[in-house]
Amino acid sequence: DSGVTQTPKHLITATGQRVTLRCSPRSGDLSVYWYQQSLDQGLQFLIQYYNGEERAKGNILERFSAQQFPDLHSELNLSSLELGDSALYFCASSVEQGFGTQYFGPGTRLTVL
Amino acid sequence: GENVEQHPSTLSVQEGDSAVIKCTYSDSASNYFPWYKQELGKGPQLIIDIRSNVGEKKDQRIAVTLNKTAKHFSLHITETQPEDSAVYFCASYINQFYFGTGTSLTVIP
Repeated sequence: DSGVTQTPKHLITATGQRVTLRCSPRSGDLSVYWYQQSLDQGLQFLIQYYNGEERAKGNILERFSAQQFPDLHSELNLSSLELGDSALYFCASSVEQGFGTQYFGPGTRLTVL
Repeated sequence: GENVEQHPSTLSVQEGDSAVIKCTYSDSASNYFPWYKQELGKGPQLIIDIRSNVGEKKDQRIAVTLNKTAKHFSLHITETQPEDSAVYFCASYINQFYFGTGTSLTVIP
């Protein structure tokens, strides 16, 4: 158990809908990262927050957004969902702002029908 | 941007043999290279990492080597065991993490 929690574990929804994925980092970790893992594209970095502020942005679509709250939990919002958004979404946390040990959560499996 | 390539995509070894997974990166400014193990149904777990000012690092049966000139780094697992079977990812860091495409390792008892 990494200490990072993600909810829900599974999510099934329809095209065009909007969903919110939630992540609670390990106690004491200030950085939260979001990743998308699909079969054809591997593990793709989406976005990082550090202590409430956006720190780095990767291949995140404009339909996706995220935020980190004062209690350090983070939410990833996915809207206007398409079939291709079906994937595993992982959250990771770390103490550091830059590179350092990341602890990954168990992931949320999103299926868009 | 940075590009990380990982080989092989699949690897089968007999229990007790060694396994080697190789990665190359494109941005010479990359300064941190972690390796992750992902078991079925779980998130990736860091198993070893190396910083750009170090050439080799070892932790029991696992070692990582880094050749900055050639821009490649490798994971070495010795005395493999069935529980080493998993997908392994390399990554590099330059302002954000870039991941390789993964190697599915099977250790045959």
